[in-house]
Amino acid sequence: QVQLQESGPGLVKPSEPLSLACTVSGYAISSGYYWGWIRQPPGKGLEWIATIHHSGTTYYSPSLKGRVTISVDTSGNQFFLELSSVTAADRAVYYCARQAFGSGTFGPDVWGQGTLVTVSS
Amino acid sequence: SYELTQSPSVSVSPGQTARITCSGDALPKKYAYWYQQRSGQAPVLVIYEDDKRPSGIPERFSASTSGTVATLTISGAQVEDEADYYCYSADNNGDQRVFGGGTKVTVL
Repeated sequence: QVQLQESGPGLVKPSEPLSLACTVSGYAISSGYYWGWIRQPPGKGLEWIATIHHSGTTYYSPSLKGRVTISVDTSGNQFFLELSSVTAADRAVYYCARQAFGSGTFGPDVWGQGTLVTVSS
Repeated sequence: SYELTQSPSVSVSPGQTARITCSGDALPKKYAYWYQQRSGQAPVLVIYEDDKRPSGIPERFSASTSGTVATLTISGAQVEDEADYYCYSADNNGDQRVFGGGTKVTVL
């Protein structure tokens, strides 16, 4: 059974970078699928952030492109998110997810439990 | 930027049918996915690739796409189906993946 688990600091200072890791168990990232990050501000809807394939191909949300980097470590079976220069607007629950190709739609099919990141000095 | 539009809320009595729509210009060419999110929990996939149901999802959940509108149907809604439901898809160019704004389904 595939499981994903987010990890990282729950509190980040304004203007500093946010870094999260997603550890995958029960499935080798290098075996296929795509892997991505999605966030949800408290009380609001879901927002796709970025997606990566184990080959290194990346896809970014146009609204966050330039601030976001997604990367993968196949040997550790993890992938990562870095979001630079955070503001209060970046406060959200961050989910990592496995994504199926689906003709380029990359629909998430397995989700982590999510981790709340707060931005405050 | 690309958008998927959902109605904000739907209310049904137990045993009735709930229908949730999601409208987007690229839906004729791009798959729709549907997610259930109960309060305080991570989203769960209930429909993938327009109309396929993952194992473990009750048969009362079904979906279809006609033109630019995708529809999720809960036939014989149960109290435990009360949740927020989100559609998800991509734009025609494959540049953006987006979620709809979500529909709150109340069963009472």
